[in-house]
Amino acid sequence: AQSVTQPDIHITVSEGASLELRCNYSYGATPYLFWYVQSPGQGLQLLLKYFSGDTLVQGIKGFEAEFKRSQSSFNLRKPSVHWSDAAEYFCAVGGTGRRALTFGSGTRLQVQP
Amino acid sequence: SQTIHQWPATLVQPVGSPLSLECTVEGTSNPNLYWYRQAAGRGLQLLFYSVGIGQISSEVPQNLSASRPQDRQFILSSKKLLLSDSGFYLCAWSAPYTDTQYFGPGTRLTVL
Repeated sequence: AQSVTQPDIHITVSEGASLELRCNYSYGATPYLFWYVQSPGQGLQLLLKYFSGDTLVQGIKGFEAEFKRSQSSFNLRKPSVHWSDAAEYFCAVGGTGRRALTFGSGTRLQVQP
Repeated sequence: SQTIHQWPATLVQPVGSPLSLECTVEGTSNPNLYWYRQAAGRGLQLLFYSVGIGQISSEVPQNLSASRPQDRQFILSSKKLLLSDSGFYLCAWSAPYTDTQYFGPGTRLTVL
C-alpha cells in the first residue's frame, strides 16, 4: 500500500531564510508526486508535481522539489521565505490504477518577521 | 479554464439531521471527481471517487454516501449526521486518465 510521511508537523522559519520541508513516500512502482499548499480555511493549491524526467522540478511561488528515488523522498525547498508562505503544506503520492492520491499529514509553516 | 465550486461554504447541523453538499466543475468534460474529509489537525482522507456518471467508489465505510447525477456534479450526502462527521470537506477533480487533482474551496461542517 502506498503511504506518505511528513516528519515535521510544525516548522518555524524567519522571513528571508531558506526552507526545506521533508516528504518520504512508500510506493511499489514509479510514483507520481505532488506538493500542495493550504491557507487557513481554504482549499488546496497545487505547487508542483513530478511524473518523470528531470528530478528537480520547479513550481509556483518560487518553490522547487527534488525527487530522490534512493531515499524515497520528495523534499520541498524555497531559497527565501516570504511571510505570505505561512500555510500548511501537503505532500501526496499517486499513480495509475486508483487514480486517487494518498496525502501526508501535512506540515504547518510559520514565518517569523 | 476550469473552475470548481462547492456549496455551502459553511454549515452547522444538529446530530441526526440530513446532509447534502454539492460540488460542480466547469470547463471540462468527464472529469474524475473526489470527496475528501479533513479533520482538525489531520491530513486528507479520501471518502469517495467517481470516474463517470453513476460510478462511485467508496474508500471508507461510514454513514456518508455520494452520487454523481450529472457529468460535472458530485454530491455528498448523509441521512443522519454524527458528531464525528464534523470537518472540512473538499471536492477535487482531475482530467480523465490523469492524476493531478485540483481542489475546490471546501465546506466547513460543524455537527452539534
